[in-house]
Amino acid sequence: AQSVSQHNHHVILSEAASLELGCNYSYGGTVNLFWYVQYPGQHLQLLLKYFSGDPLVKGIKGFEAEFIKSKFSFNLRKPSVQWSDTAEYFCAVVPSNTGKLIFGQGTTLQVKP
Amino acid sequence: DAEITQSPRHKITETGRQVTLACHQTWNHNNMFWYRQDLGHGLRLIHYSYGVQDTNKGEVSDGYSVSRSNTEDLPLTLESAASSQTSVYFCASSPGHPEQYFGPGTRLTVT
Repeated sequence: AQSVSQHNHHVILSEAASLELGCNYSYGGTVNLFWYVQYPGQHLQLLLKYFSGDPLVKGIKGFEAEFIKSKFSFNLRKPSVQWSDTAEYFCAVVPSNTGKLIFGQGTTLQVKP
Repeated sequence: DAEITQSPRHKITETGRQVTLACHQTWNHNNMFWYRQDLGHGLRLIHYSYGVQDTNKGEVSDGYSVSRSNTEDLPLTLESAASSQTSVYFCASSPGHPEQYFGPGTRLTVT
């Protein structure tokens, strides 16, 4: 079955530290890729998306992600995190054969001031 | 501004009762989706609809039903609530491309 794996379930960082959250998916065809963020008590918001073109995608709030097709990966990065980045982060994939969004398990990021 | 709303935001019900969660969007999107969010599972698709009178089962559809009588609404019904259905439920909509827009969620507790 198609799946999305997020390797880090809970990450704790200090402010100004760099962030990288891993995401891998299991589908060999064309995909659309997303990172969503859920701040405490709020709904999911889109951070960034990849449909085609430049595999390095820039999103809101200084986040970026790189699509590496050969590794089936779409890792999320931010060079310097802030306390306000404390949230849960979800990687999601839409395989071209189903058109349906498949979510990873989520990563809880806690940033200490 | 166009938006997607869910009601109620919090609900406590008893085992065996029928519960309906509302989802309303004003974007005029054809596609609407219901997900449940559980710790360690991310979001899982319950049901989805690609237009009026169209409904489809998702990954975890047992015990749930939906109906689509107009473009704006996709209510989710739990026929006979079970404790395993305690969860946070998110509705989403999409105009037809892969990006989806999510509602604020409904926290349902079944006692």
